[in-house]
Amino acid sequence: EIVLTQSPGTLSLSPGERATLSCRASQSVRSGYLAWYQQKPGQAPRLLIYGASTRATGIPDRFSGGGSGTDFTLTIRRLEPEDFAVYYCQQYGSSPKTFGQGTKVEIK
Amino acid sequence: EVQLVESGGGLVQPGRSLRLSCAASGFTFDDYAMHWVRQAPGKGLEWVSGINWSSGSIAYADSVKGRFTISRDNGKNSLYLQMNSLSAEDTALYHCAKDLHATSWSRGSPFDYWGQGTLVTVSS
Repeated sequence: EIVLTQSPGTLSLSPGERATLSCRASQSVRSGYLAWYQQKPGQAPRLLIYGASTRATGIPDRFSGGGSGTDFTLTIRRLEPEDFAVYYCQQYGSSPKTFGQGTKVEIK
Repeated sequence: EVQLVESGGGLVQPGRSLRLSCAASGFTFDDYAMHWVRQAPGKGLEWVSGINWSSGSIAYADSVKGRFTISRDNGKNSLYLQMNSLSAEDTALYHCAKDLHATSWSRGSPFDYWGQGTLVTVSS
């Protein structure tokens, strides 16, 4: 099983600032099959990024993903008020399709 | 519009069983693999089980293997999760989720649509 470790656990930032979230895998993620999801309280997760760097339909271009192998990042270029949420990475290249424990982006 | 609506959750005693359902609409159900993902109260996401379009390929998390059974009925556009021998550790909101890519079991796919979930509480 591939274990995903996200850091930091909580990121305290102000609107307009840049957010950089990390996701590290315990072994190489096949073909860069790494996704990022956003979850707000009381809502289902929303797919943001897949294939490590491809934005899902309708996702603003302030969201970008990068990385390969075992190290991946999600960058939010300029935080909007609606971006404050919990973010999860997921590898879907091998079974089980594991998730990271999440990074909470909160308003400073 | 894609919709996934879960049902069947509730309060159940330890050791008992429960069957969850997910009604799908707005897409060609039998083109896509489907999954169950759970979230314990205040915790993160845990993939539970997945099934390919034809039910020919099925996978489970180790935490539920031998106790849970996933199935689907393409004629009814429905996904199911039979949960047996439930314990307190199974208490969670259970979401069904759809693969982004059609017929993608071996290729791998993220999940592009999720239901709001149905809450399962295991307690005496």
